[in-house]
Amino acid sequence: DVKVTQSSRYLVKRTGEKVFLECVQDMDHENMFWYRQDPGLGLRLIYFSYDVKMKEKGDIPEGYSVSREKKERFSLILESASTNQTSMYLCASSPGTGVSEQFFGPGTRLTVL
Amino acid sequence: QKEVEQDPGPLSVPEGAIVSLNCTYSNSAFQYFMWYRQYSRKGPELLMYTYSSGNKEDGRFTAQVDKSSKYISLFIRDSQPSDSATYLCAKVGGSNYKLTFGKGTLLTVNP
Repeated sequence: DVKVTQSSRYLVKRTGEKVFLECVQDMDHENMFWYRQDPGLGLRLIYFSYDVKMKEKGDIPEGYSVSREKKERFSLILESASTNQTSMYLCASSPGTGVSEQFFGPGTRLTVL
Repeated sequence: QKEVEQDPGPLSVPEGAIVSLNCTYSNSAFQYFMWYRQYSRKGPELLMYTYSSGNKEDGRFTAQVDKSSKYISLFIRDSQPSDSATYLCAKVGGSNYKLTFGKGTLLTVNP
């Protein structure tokens, strides 16, 4: 079974803190994604990566950066957390190119106070 | 106009009812569509995907694409309380086959 794990289920941070969200997948997938999910707005793509050290902006990259130093790990970084970044963050991975299923992790509920 | 529009509901039905979940899309170049199911406090999981027009059936679930009206639908027959979840439609397109999701419809099936 494909497994995508996220470092924390719940996280509480203060405004201005630097926040790292970690995601690891165990199926040797090329593609990895970070989404945020908000009531009334649905799932929105923040960043994705199709190879190690490669990244592309999604629909809402402002205030975020990413890092992919190893194939299995994709990190989302909030350089200076703000209250409007309080959200559910979901990581996903998918194999290779072409149309393929994205496998999601359980999510991290981040609260910025 | 958002690329994929989905009525967020919520939708509440009695057990055994036929459920119809719908999305519309704006770009006729889209060929692949997916339906994901998300249980409370879990990540989304792929339920079905369809290519172009027509129907695809999997047990109690049928996915339908009508390209002429840019409409995608998911039908659930003999709905069960275990079907209670948020259902997300998604179109496949763009670079590296990104997914663009609708907002999701919250479905509750009452026993």
